[in-house]
Amino acid sequence: DIQMTQSPSSLSTSVGDRVTITCRASQSISGYLNWYQQTPGKPPKLLIYGTSSFRSGVPSRFSGSGSGTDFTLTISSLQPEDVGTYYCQQTYSSPPTFGQGTKLQIK
Amino acid sequence: QVQLVQSGAEVRKPGASVKVSCKASGYTFTSYYIHWVRQAPGQGLEWMGKISPSGGSTSHAQNFQDRVTMTRDTSTRTVFMELYSLRSDDTAVYFCARADSGLGAFDFWGQGTMVTVSS
Repeated sequence: DIQMTQSPSSLSTSVGDRVTITCRASQSISGYLNWYQQTPGKPPKLLIYGTSSFRSGVPSRFSGSGSGTDFTLTISSLQPEDVGTYYCQQTYSSPPTFGQGTKLQIK
Repeated sequence: QVQLVQSGAEVRKPGASVKVSCKASGYTFTSYYIHWVRQAPGQGLEWMGKISPSGGSTSHAQNFQDRVTMTRDTSTRTVFMELYSLRSDDTAVYFCARADSGLGAFDFWGQGTMVTVSS
C-alpha cells in the first residue's frame, strides 16, 4: 500500500496568513492526489483533485501543487471558516490511502 | 443534485454484525463506484472497500477482508455495507462516498453513520 505522510500534524495561525500543508507519498502517484477539508461532525469535503484542479465552489484562496511524491496545499489568506482538518489522499493505486490529517486552528 | 443518504446510528454488542445503507440520488447510480470509509473517534480516515453498483464487483481493504460484505440494490439505488464479528475498536463513523470516474476522487459523501460497539 502507498503510505501518505502529511506535515505538520497541527497548525495554529492567524487570519490573513498564508498556510502551507505538505503531503508526501511513499512512491510516485503521478498526480493522483486529492485534498479534503473536514469540520467536526461533518463528512470530508473534496477541495482539490488531481493535484491542482479546483472543485466547483471552492474559494480561489485554495491551491494545490506538486508532482511525483511531494504535494502541497496552500491557503493564500486564511479565513475563519477554513478551520478544520485537512487530509490528502492518493487514488493512483488501490487501496486509496489518506494522510493522517493536519488540524488547522486560528490563533 | 447528487445526494448520498445513510441509515441512522446503530449500537451493537461485541460479536454482533451491523448493516449500514447508503441511498443515492441525483445521478446515474450505475456509473460511479461507491466507497466506504470509516473514522474512529478523534482519528483519521480509513478506507474499507468499494463496490461497483453496475456489476456488483467489490474490493476490500485487507484489514476487513473476512469481516465485511458490500452489496447493492439497483432497484432502490442503495448500497449496503455489512460488518461482522464487531469489536469495540469498530466503534466509528462509517461514510459512503462516490468516486468520480476520472481521477477517482471522492466527490460526494454521505452524512455518516455512527456505529457504537459496546457490551
